[in-house]
Parts: sequence; structure tokens; C-alpha cells
Amino acid sequence: AQSVTQLDSQVPVFEEAPVELRCNYSSSVSVYLFWYVQYPNQGLQLLLKYLSGSTLVKGINGFEAEFNKSQTSFHLRKPSVHISDTAEYFCAVSGFDYKLSFGAGTTVTVRA
Amino acid sequence: DTGVSQDPRHKITKRGQNVTFRCDPISEHNRLYWYRQTLGQGPEFLTYFQNEAQLEKSRLLSDRFSAERPKGSFSTLEIQRTEQGDSAMYLCASSLVQGANEKLFFGSGTQLSVL
Repeated sequence: AQSVTQLDSQVPVFEEAPVELRCNYSSSVSVYLFWYVQYPNQGLQLLLKYLSGSTLVKGINGFEAEFNKSQTSFHLRKPSVHISDTAEYFCAVSGFDYKLSFGAGTTVTVRA
Repeated sequence: DTGVSQDPRHKITKRGQNVTFRCDPISEHNRLYWYRQTLGQGPEFLTYFQNEAQLEKSRLLSDRFSAERPKGSFSTLEIQRTEQGDSAMYLCASSLVQGANEKLFFGSGTQLSVL
């Protein structure tokens, strides 16, 4: 079984500042890792995913994440946020069956 | 590609009533998932289908819950004798399995409130 811990429930950030959302996972087997974003009144949208290969993964909207196997982490970063990045962000893990286990989410609020 | 659609968007019901939700996946997607999301939590896996076959059902799903995907296209999730603890957002997702690269597309969900 896999599980995910998102270390920050809320992250306030000023526009054009960098942001990092922390995610740690636990699993006894090889995993796939994901970050999803949920804008108000919308469905979950995939930001990026790590399946294998390069540990630095680039996603949509300027986001990137780094897989660190020794620290069992998959932190999400963006060098400069916009007001439109205000949303809920979910880290998720799955085995090869793609059955996702999500973290509790991090609410990002971008202020002008 | 019209996306994953769920109906209704909102459902308010009284405790003890039965409710049914529908999910229309993206056409040709062979895999369909149901998740449940409560306030302040991430989505929790409930069940999933490969075509019309229900491959796995979470232990979270009590006997009051049943899901079907009769023709391998749309799916329904029924909750019998609803309880207040069933209040949540019910999310559907679909995917086309192609080797190791699978991408899930989520619907906007059905928000259930049990009074």
C-alpha cells in the first residue's frame, strides 16, 4: 500500500514570488508520482507525473517537481507564481495499477 | 473530446433515501474510476472498472454502495439508505490504458449532501 503526506495545508505567497509545495510518500514497491491541481468549481487536472527516468519533471504552467528516492519526496516548485495559480494542489502516488492515493492537499493563495 | 461529465452536479437528499449518480467517461476510454472527497481531504479511491468489469472495490465501500458499468461506457454509482457520513464530493475519472503511460481525466464531481 502507498500513502502520501503533504506537509503544508496552506501556503500564502505573493505574486511573482517562488513557491514550493512539499510531498512525502511511503511505499514498499516502485511507484508513480503525480501532482494534480484543482481550481475552484473545476475537476482535478494533472500538472505533472513521474514514471521513471530523469528525476526532474517539468509540467504545465511552469511547474516542476523533483523525485528524491532516498528522501521519498516529490516536492513541487514554481519560480514565479501568478494570481491564477491560486488553487488546491494534491500530491498522489500509485503502483503500476494507477490506483491513486492522494494527500490531503495544499491550498495555495497568491496575493498581489 | 468533451471530457468526463458527471450528473447531477449537486444532490441534496434526506437520510435513508437512495441516490444514483452517473458518469460519462471520455469516449473510447476503457478504464473508469470512482473517488470520494470530503472537505479538507484528498480524494479516496472507491472502485474501478476495466471496460465493464469491476476490478477492485475499496474496503471504504460499504454494502450500501454499488457501482455498475453495464456496457463499458457510462457508469452509475448508487448509494442505498444514505447516511449523513455519505456527504461528500463523488468524483469520476477515466483513462485509456496504453502500456505504462496512463493519464486520468477527472470530472467535476457530484456534491452529495445528506440531511
